[in-house]
Amino acid sequence: AQSVAQPEDQVNVAEGNPLTVKCTYSVSGNPYLFWYVQYPNRGLQFLLKYITGDNLVKGSYGFEAEFNKSQTSFHLKKPSALVSDSALYFCAVRARGGSQGNLIFGKGTKLSVKP
Amino acid sequence: NAGVTQTPKFQVLKTGQSMTLQCAQDMNHNSMYWYRQDPGMGLRLIYYSASEGTTDKGEVPNGYNVSRLNKREFSLRLESAAPSQTSVYFCASSERGLAGAPDTQYFGPGTRLTVL
Repeated sequence: AQSVAQPEDQVNVAEGNPLTVKCTYSVSGNPYLFWYVQYPNRGLQFLLKYITGDNLVKGSYGFEAEFNKSQTSFHLKKPSALVSDSALYFCAVRARGGSQGNLIFGKGTKLSVKP
Repeated sequence: NAGVTQTPKFQVLKTGQSMTLQCAQDMNHNSMYWYRQDPGMGLRLIYYSASEGTTDKGEVPNGYNVSRLNKREFSLRLESAAPSQTSVYFCASSERGLAGAPDTQYFGPGTRLTVL
């Protein structure tokens, strides 16, 4: 069975510092991995996805994520956090060859960036 | 280009009442989805429609029905609402490529439903 774990309910970062939001996954075979962001009272917005190839994926708003197959992780990173990055972040995984209905989301990590 | 739209934005129901949540997309996507979001639970799939004319159950389908009215529209119906269905409901759509393709889902703004 597929699963996604986001081990931190909340991450606190000072503005200008680097940020990391952690995600680990479990799936049979090779995964497709996604990060979404949700601002208050809004729907989810796509940030980036890993399909194949380069393990470092660059996405929207200066975010990037690193796929690590041996550690089954896909951590979200940004070199310099902004207050406007404060939001809820979701990692999601789907097995290759799986149906569209099998996109599994983590429980979310609340990112708080303080000035 | 509005993307994915949902109506209503907010709704309060009494236990046993019925209602339909509406969703429409203008991106010519083949696949559409209904999720519910509960605190600390992430998003859980209720139903999805891989293409016009097909629907499939997701993780939490009990108490819900869906209709893929046409390519643009996918509605979610609660026949007899229960307090456990208090949640935020999101509709999403995606381009359906080859089987297993990593299509990105695009989400609507959500419907906040309270069942008393």
